[in-house]
Amino acid sequence: KAGVTQTPRYLIKTRGQQVTLSCSPISGHRSVSWYQQTPGQGLQFLFEYFSETQRNKGNFPGRFSGRQFSNSRSEMNVSTLELGDSALYLCASSLEGWWGTDTQYFGPGTRLTVL
Amino acid sequence: SQQGEEDPQALSIQEGENATMNCSYKTSINNLQWYRQNSGRGLVHLILIRSNEREKHSGRLRVTLDTSKKSSSLLITASRAADTASYFCATDRASGGSNYKLTFGKGTLLTVNP
Repeated sequence: KAGVTQTPRYLIKTRGQQVTLSCSPISGHRSVSWYQQTPGQGLQFLFEYFSETQRNKGNFPGRFSGRQFSNSRSEMNVSTLELGDSALYLCASSLEGWWGTDTQYFGPGTRLTVL
Repeated sequence: SQQGEEDPQALSIQEGENATMNCSYKTSINNLQWYRQNSGRGLVHLILIRSNEREKHSGRLRVTLDTSKKSSSLLITASRAADTASYFCATDRASGGSNYKLTFGKGTLLTVNP
């Protein structure tokens, strides 16, 4: 099975712009989660989607949004970019999203740099 | 806020030695997981230990969990240069309803010198 893929791998944007990141989960996985990783804050949970519905959300401002399509592919969008949004954005997929027993498989990430 | 906190932040050892990393957490959990990340890449799941388990093995990995102390340790035996990576513990906690989210610690950077 192909792993989780994320596009693009690298992105450079300027403050005020918006960006859309894409994630294709492992075939058959219905849950997709997004994380932001920065040196200062570490790995932080953004949100999780299951069957096109957002089930969980972390403590991020409304500038961060996402969606999931019927084929389980997911996108996340960040509007009005700020310098602090520079980070590695990781997507993870799992069968059902029950993290207690459901292993999450991570993609390679998208490195976003905001200038 | 971080649920899991790894200790030490960085660890440097020689090939063949054992590496031990610790993780402490604050609130009750159902399960604790360990992940590895190579140099800014995606995370790889290593092992999951449930709250009613005390010890678990997987190859050269040994994980212990002490729920009374809210701590876990990851032992890598006979380390190899390829084990060089950051190691994270992740805990789950309810975020409403029956769904959970993983909360990661800041990780331990392990360097294994050939």
